Amino acid sequence: KQEVTQIPAALSVPEGENLVLNCSFTDSAIYNLQWFRQDPGKGLTSLLLIQSSQREQTSGRLNASLDKSSGRSTLYIAASQPGDSATYLCAVRYNFNKFYFGSGTKLNVKP
Amino acid sequence: DGGITQSPKYLFRKEGQNVTLSCEQNLNHDAMYWYRQDPGQGLRLIYYSQIVNDFQKGDIAEGYSVSREKKESFPLTVTSAQKNPTAFYLCASSIGSHRTEKLFFGSGTQLSVL
Repeated sequence: KQEVTQIPAALSVPEGENLVLNCSFTDSAIYNLQWFRQDPGKGLTSLLLIQSSQREQTSGRLNASLDKSSGRSTLYIAASQPGDSATYLCAVRYNFNKFYFGSGTKLNVKP
Repeated sequence: DGGITQSPKYLFRKEGQNVTLSCEQNLNHDAMYWYRQDPGQGLRLIYYSQIVNDFQKGDIAEGYSVSREKKESFPLTVTSAQKNPTAFYLCASSIGSHRTEKLFFGSGTQLSVL
């Protein structure tokens, strides 16, 4: 059974700090991995998508990496801001039209 | 603006009642999905549809039903058989295939039991 794990469940950091969020998956036969942001009571907003053949993707202050062999992806946020406070989820796509989601990391960036 | 519209934002269900959640997209995406989100948990797949007039059960389909009569619309009915329906429901659509398939989400519907 495919499982996706995100640790820690919650993280609190001071403004300006660089941070790393983790996503691990049990089955390395993935097609892609997508990182999302979710604000309270809202839907998910896509941040980055990494295809299985790629090692990393960057968008502004965000950088996502993928290591299929170890079953891990990381989301690096540079120079964190209070506006980055949200829950961050990762989703893994396998070859049968299904996405498996982690339970998320709730990030709080303190001013 | 293109996107996915879910309505209503909040919905209350009485015991024994069926309720329907609306999901409309104008992104011209073929695939659509319904997920359930419980506090502190990841999203769980209820149903998905790859094309009009076809849909498949996800991991937690019991107590739910869907239809896909139009490409733009994928309503979800929560039936009285679903004994624990209180959750946040998210509709999604996707574009691309295999390695490039990317999910887009609506803003969600919070369903509560009276």
